[in-house]
Amino acid sequence: QITLKESGPTLVKPTQTLTLTCTFSGFSLSTRGVGVGWIRQPPGKALEWLALIYWDDDKRYSPSLKNRLTITKDTSKNQVVLTMTNMDPVDTATYYCAHVWNPMYEGDYHYMDVWGKGTTVTVSS
Amino acid sequence: DIQMTQSPSSLSASVGDRVNMTCRTSQSISNYLNWYQQKPGKAPKVLIYAASSLQSGVPSRFSGSGSGTDFTLTISNLQPEDFAPYYCQQSYSTPYTFGQGTKLEIK
Repeated sequence: QITLKESGPTLVKPTQTLTLTCTFSGFSLSTRGVGVGWIRQPPGKALEWLALIYWDDDKRYSPSLKNRLTITKDTSKNQVVLTMTNMDPVDTATYYCAHVWNPMYEGDYHYMDVWGKGTTVTVSS
Repeated sequence: DIQMTQSPSSLSASVGDRVNMTCRTSQSISNYLNWYQQKPGKAPKVLIYAASSLQSGVPSRFSGSGSGTDFTLTISNLQPEDFAPYYCQQSYSTPYTFGQGTKLEIK
Protein backbone atom coordinates (compact mmCIF):
# COMPACT_ATOMS: atom_id res chain seq x y z
CA GLN A 1 0.00 0.00 0.00
CA ILE A 2 1.41 3.35 -1.05
CA THR A 3 1.23 6.19 1.46
CA LEU A 4 2.73 9.66 1.50
CA LYS A 5 2.85 12.24 4.25
CA GLU A 6 3.86 15.87 4.05
CA SER A 7 5.60 17.62 6.93
CA GLY A 8 6.99 21.06 7.58
CA PRO A 9 6.22 24.35 9.30
CA THR A 10 2.64 25.57 9.45
CA LEU A 11 3.66 29.22 9.67
CA VAL A 12 6.50 31.03 7.92
CA LYS A 13 7.35 34.71 7.72
CA PRO A 14 7.59 36.65 4.47
CA THR A 15 11.01 36.32 2.78
CA GLN A 16 11.78 33.11 4.69
CA THR A 17 12.53 29.78 3.02
CA LEU A 18 9.99 26.98 3.28
CA THR A 19 11.22 23.40 3.51
CA LEU A 20 8.68 20.61 3.10
CA THR A 21 9.38 16.91 3.40
CA CYS A 22 7.38 14.14 1.79
CA THR A 23 7.93 10.82 3.55
CA PHE A 24 6.56 7.84 1.70
CA SER A 25 6.18 4.09 1.95
CA GLY A 26 5.02 1.28 -0.28
CA PHE A 27 7.23 2.14 -3.23
CA SER A 28 10.82 2.90 -4.08
CA LEU A 29 11.99 6.05 -5.80
CA SER A 30 14.61 3.98 -7.57
CA THR A 31 11.95 2.09 -9.54
CA ARG A 32 11.79 2.97 -13.21
CA GLY A 33 8.79 5.12 -14.06
CA VAL A 34 8.20 6.33 -10.52
CA GLY A 35 8.35 9.90 -9.30
CA VAL A 36 7.07 12.22 -6.58
CA GLY A 37 5.35 15.49 -7.33
CA TRP A 38 4.33 18.57 -5.35
CA ILE A 39 1.08 20.45 -5.86
CA ARG A 40 -0.45 23.27 -3.86
CA GLN A 41 -3.91 24.73 -3.39
CA PRO A 42 -4.57 28.20 -1.97
CA PRO A 43 -7.70 28.41 0.20
CA GLY A 44 -10.80 28.13 -1.97
CA LYS A 45 -8.80 28.04 -5.20
CA ALA A 46 -7.68 25.54 -7.81
CA LEU A 47 -4.75 23.16 -7.76
CA GLU A 48 -1.35 24.40 -8.91
CA TRP A 49 1.41 22.03 -10.03
CA LEU A 50 4.84 22.92 -8.61
CA ALA A 51 7.52 20.31 -9.27
CA LEU A 52 8.33 16.65 -9.63
CA ILE A 53 11.35 14.38 -9.41
CA TYR A 54 11.76 11.02 -11.10
CA TRP A 55 13.58 7.82 -10.19
CA ASP A 56 16.49 8.83 -12.42
CA ASP A 57 16.79 12.26 -10.75
CA ASP A 58 15.09 14.00 -13.68
CA LYS A 59 13.56 17.14 -12.18
CA ARG A 60 10.72 19.25 -13.57
CA TYR A 61 9.70 22.66 -12.24
CA SER A 62 6.93 25.14 -12.82
CA PRO A 63 8.65 27.83 -14.92
CA SER A 64 6.92 30.63 -13.03
CA LEU A 65 8.43 29.39 -9.75
CA LYS A 66 11.57 27.72 -10.99
CA ASN A 67 13.96 30.28 -9.54
CA ARG A 68 12.43 29.72 -6.08
CA LEU A 69 12.03 25.94 -6.03
CA THR A 70 14.40 23.08 -5.41
CA ILE A 71 13.34 19.44 -5.29
CA THR A 72 15.61 16.65 -4.06
CA LYS A 73 15.25 13.01 -3.13
CA ASP A 74 16.81 10.73 -0.56
CA THR A 75 16.07 7.26 -1.78
CA SER A 76 17.53 5.57 1.30
CA LYS A 77 15.21 7.56 3.59
CA ASN A 78 12.18 7.36 1.27
CA GLN A 79 11.89 11.14 1.31
CA VAL A 80 11.52 13.97 -1.15
CA VAL A 81 12.22 17.54 -0.05
CA LEU A 82 10.85 20.69 -1.63
CA THR A 83 12.32 24.06 -0.74
CA MET A 84 10.73 27.34 -1.73
CA THR A 85 12.62 30.56 -1.14
CA ASN A 86 11.42 34.10 -0.54
CA MET A 87 7.98 33.14 0.74
CA ASP A 88 5.13 35.62 0.33
CA PRO A 89 1.58 35.72 1.71
CA VAL A 90 0.30 34.62 -1.73
CA ASP A 91 2.11 31.32 -1.14
CA THR A 92 -0.33 30.50 1.66
CA ALA A 93 -1.81 27.15 0.65
CA THR A 94 -2.20 23.48 1.35
CA TYR A 95 0.80 21.68 -0.10
CA TYR A 96 0.43 18.11 -1.32
CA CYS A 97 2.93 15.51 -2.43
CA ALA A 98 1.87 12.66 -4.67
CA HIS A 99 3.15 9.41 -6.16
CA VAL A 100 3.78 9.90 -9.86
CA TRP A 101 3.57 7.12 -12.40
CA ASN A 102 5.07 7.53 -15.86
CA PRO A 103 3.96 4.42 -17.74
CA MET A 104 6.24 5.13 -20.71
CA TYR A 105 9.31 5.62 -18.50
CA GLU A 106 10.25 8.73 -20.48
CA GLY A 107 8.80 11.95 -21.78
CA ASP A 108 6.12 13.98 -20.06
CA TYR A 109 3.07 11.76 -19.72
CA HIS A 110 2.28 10.78 -16.15
CA TYR A 111 -0.45 10.85 -13.59
CA MET A 112 -0.58 11.16 -9.81
CA ASP A 113 -2.33 8.12 -8.41
CA VAL A 114 -1.78 8.43 -4.67
CA TRP A 115 -1.67 11.68 -2.75
CA GLY A 116 -0.74 12.66 0.76
CA LYS A 117 -3.30 14.39 2.95
CA GLY A 118 -1.56 17.73 2.54
CA THR A 119 -0.02 20.22 4.93
CA THR A 120 -1.25 23.76 5.40
CA VAL A 121 1.30 26.55 5.24
CA THR A 122 0.47 30.13 6.18
CA VAL A 123 2.78 32.98 5.27
CA SER A 124 2.38 35.89 7.65
CA SER A 125 4.49 38.20 9.73
CA ASP B 1 1.97 27.44 -20.66
CA ILE B 2 -0.97 25.32 -21.77
CA GLN B 3 -4.20 26.91 -20.62
CA MET B 4 -6.96 24.66 -19.32
CA THR B 5 -10.58 25.76 -19.49
CA GLN B 6 -13.18 23.70 -17.68
CA SER B 7 -16.88 24.19 -18.24
CA PRO B 8 -19.21 24.71 -16.66
CA SER B 9 -17.62 26.13 -13.53
CA SER B 10 -20.54 24.72 -11.55
CA LEU B 11 -23.18 22.17 -12.33
CA SER B 12 -26.36 21.22 -10.46
CA ALA B 13 -27.74 17.73 -10.83
CA SER B 14 -29.78 15.12 -9.00
CA VAL B 15 -28.97 11.64 -7.79
CA GLY B 16 -29.39 9.25 -10.69
CA ASP B 17 -28.65 11.87 -13.37
CA ARG B 18 -26.01 11.63 -16.07
CA VAL B 19 -23.70 14.64 -16.35
CA ASN B 20 -20.95 15.78 -18.67
CA MET B 21 -18.25 18.29 -17.96
CA THR B 22 -15.62 19.44 -20.38
CA CYS B 23 -11.99 20.48 -20.40
CA ARG B 24 -10.52 22.41 -23.30
CA THR B 25 -6.79 23.00 -23.74
CA SER B 26 -5.10 25.89 -25.51
CA GLN B 27 -3.07 23.52 -27.69
CA SER B 28 -3.25 19.90 -28.68
CA ILE B 29 -2.11 17.51 -25.94
CA SER B 30 -2.90 14.17 -27.59
CA ASN B 31 -4.48 12.12 -24.78
CA TYR B 32 -2.21 13.43 -22.00
CA LEU B 33 -5.16 14.39 -19.83
CA ASN B 34 -6.12 13.25 -16.34
CA TRP B 35 -9.25 13.85 -14.28
CA TYR B 36 -9.29 14.22 -10.49
CA GLN B 37 -12.08 14.41 -7.93
CA GLN B 38 -11.54 16.34 -4.71
CA LYS B 39 -13.92 15.96 -1.81
CA PRO B 40 -14.05 18.82 0.74
CA GLY B 41 -11.03 18.86 3.01
CA LYS B 42 -9.44 15.90 1.20
CA ALA B 43 -6.66 15.35 -1.28
CA PRO B 44 -7.53 14.89 -4.94
CA LYS B 45 -8.12 11.39 -6.27
CA VAL B 46 -7.40 10.33 -9.83
CA LEU B 47 -10.44 9.02 -11.68
CA ILE B 48 -9.36 8.90 -15.32
CA TYR B 49 -5.86 8.91 -16.82
CA ALA B 50 -4.74 9.17 -20.43
CA ALA B 51 -8.10 10.78 -21.24
CA SER B 52 -10.17 7.60 -21.13
CA SER B 53 -8.54 4.98 -18.89
CA LEU B 54 -10.39 4.25 -15.67
CA GLN B 55 -8.17 4.17 -12.61
CA SER B 56 -8.32 0.92 -10.65
CA GLY B 57 -11.00 0.99 -7.97
CA VAL B 58 -12.98 3.82 -9.53
CA PRO B 59 -16.63 3.00 -10.25
CA SER B 60 -17.49 2.31 -13.88
CA ARG B 61 -20.10 5.12 -13.87
CA PHE B 62 -17.13 7.45 -14.47
CA SER B 63 -15.84 7.66 -18.02
CA GLY B 64 -13.61 9.95 -20.01
CA SER B 65 -13.27 10.75 -23.69
CA GLY B 66 -11.52 13.08 -26.06
CA SER B 67 -8.15 13.83 -27.57
CA GLY B 68 -6.34 16.83 -28.96
CA THR B 69 -7.89 19.86 -27.29
CA ASP B 70 -11.35 18.75 -26.17
CA PHE B 71 -12.08 16.32 -23.38
CA THR B 72 -15.16 15.18 -21.49
CA LEU B 73 -15.75 13.55 -18.13
CA THR B 74 -19.09 11.76 -17.92
CA ILE B 75 -20.68 10.51 -14.72
CA SER B 76 -23.67 8.22 -15.14
CA ASN B 77 -26.21 7.45 -12.45
CA LEU B 78 -24.92 10.09 -10.04
CA GLN B 79 -24.49 8.94 -6.47
CA PRO B 80 -24.53 11.16 -3.37
CA GLU B 81 -20.78 10.72 -2.90
CA ASP B 82 -20.08 12.10 -6.40
CA PHE B 83 -20.96 15.68 -5.53
CA ALA B 84 -17.57 17.36 -5.39
CA PRO B 85 -15.22 19.52 -7.46
CA TYR B 86 -13.53 17.92 -10.46
CA TYR B 87 -10.24 19.01 -12.02
CA CYS B 88 -8.58 18.16 -15.29
CA GLN B 89 -4.80 18.22 -15.64
CA GLN B 90 -2.53 18.00 -18.65
CA SER B 91 0.78 16.18 -18.50
CA TYR B 92 1.89 17.07 -22.03
CA SER B 93 4.38 19.77 -21.08
CA THR B 94 5.57 21.70 -18.06
CA PRO B 95 4.01 23.29 -16.17
CA TYR B 96 1.53 20.44 -15.88
CA THR B 97 -1.42 22.73 -15.44
CA PHE B 98 -4.79 22.05 -13.86
CA GLY B 99 -8.11 23.48 -14.90
CA GLN B 100 -9.98 25.82 -12.58
CA GLY B 101 -12.42 23.07 -11.66
CA THR B 102 -16.07 22.15 -12.13
CA LYS B 103 -18.08 22.04 -8.92
CA LEU B 104 -20.79 19.41 -9.07
CA GLU B 105 -23.61 20.28 -6.69
CA ILE B 106 -26.82 18.63 -5.64
CA LYS B 107 -29.93 20.16 -7.20
